[in-house]
Amino acid sequence: EAGVTQSPTHLIKTRGQQATLRCSPISGHTSVYWYQQALGLGLQFLLWYDEGEERNRGNFPPRFSGRQFPNYSSELNVNALELEDSALYLCASSRGQIYGYTFGSGTRLTVV
Amino acid sequence: GESVGLHLPTLSVQEGDNSIINCAYSNSASDYFIWYKQESGKGPQFIIDIRSNMDKRQGQRVTVLLNKTVKHLSLQIAATQPGDSAVYFCAENGLGDYKLSFGAGTTVTVRA
Repeated sequence: EAGVTQSPTHLIKTRGQQATLRCSPISGHTSVYWYQQALGLGLQFLLWYDEGEERNRGNFPPRFSGRQFPNYSSELNVNALELEDSALYLCASSRGQIYGYTFGSGTRLTVV
Repeated sequence: GESVGLHLPTLSVQEGDNSIINCAYSNSASDYFIWYKQESGKGPQFIIDIRSNMDKRQGQRVTVLLNKTVKHLSLQIAATQPGDSAVYFCAENGLGDYKLSFGAGTTVTVRA
């Protein structure tokens, strides 16, 4: 089965611009999670979507937002980009709470 | 606040030796734990998981130990190989918590 796919692989944006990152979960997975991993740091929880709705969000400002589509794919939008938004953004999917995640390879966002 | 953390940020191991990576967690309600391996430029990859009703679980060359009394989790890798060089994360999920919380990660370097 295909794994979690993320696009683009790399993204370079200028400060103040908007970035859109995309994620396709594993077939049959209804939950999508977004994490931010700054260089050399751990994974910080951003957002959780399930069945098309935002279920939980981490300690990030409102300019981090997203959505989940009827086919369970998801978008992460980051508005008014700041230099410190530069990070690897990881998407993961799961079948539900009691299962672990499967991660994609991430999108490397660089803000200059 | 509650958190998951690793005892040591780096671990250097001789090829062929056994590795032990430790993790402390503070959420006593955590009931599901996972170890992930992240190689450079890739997303985290599932290694092994364990539920709170167990204290040991074995996989291929890996063993996870859970000590709920002291809230400690460890990952043992037998006969460490160069391909085991990566960052290892522990993650935990509490009952009713629909997201995984990750520790900061331990970088394992295997010496030839």
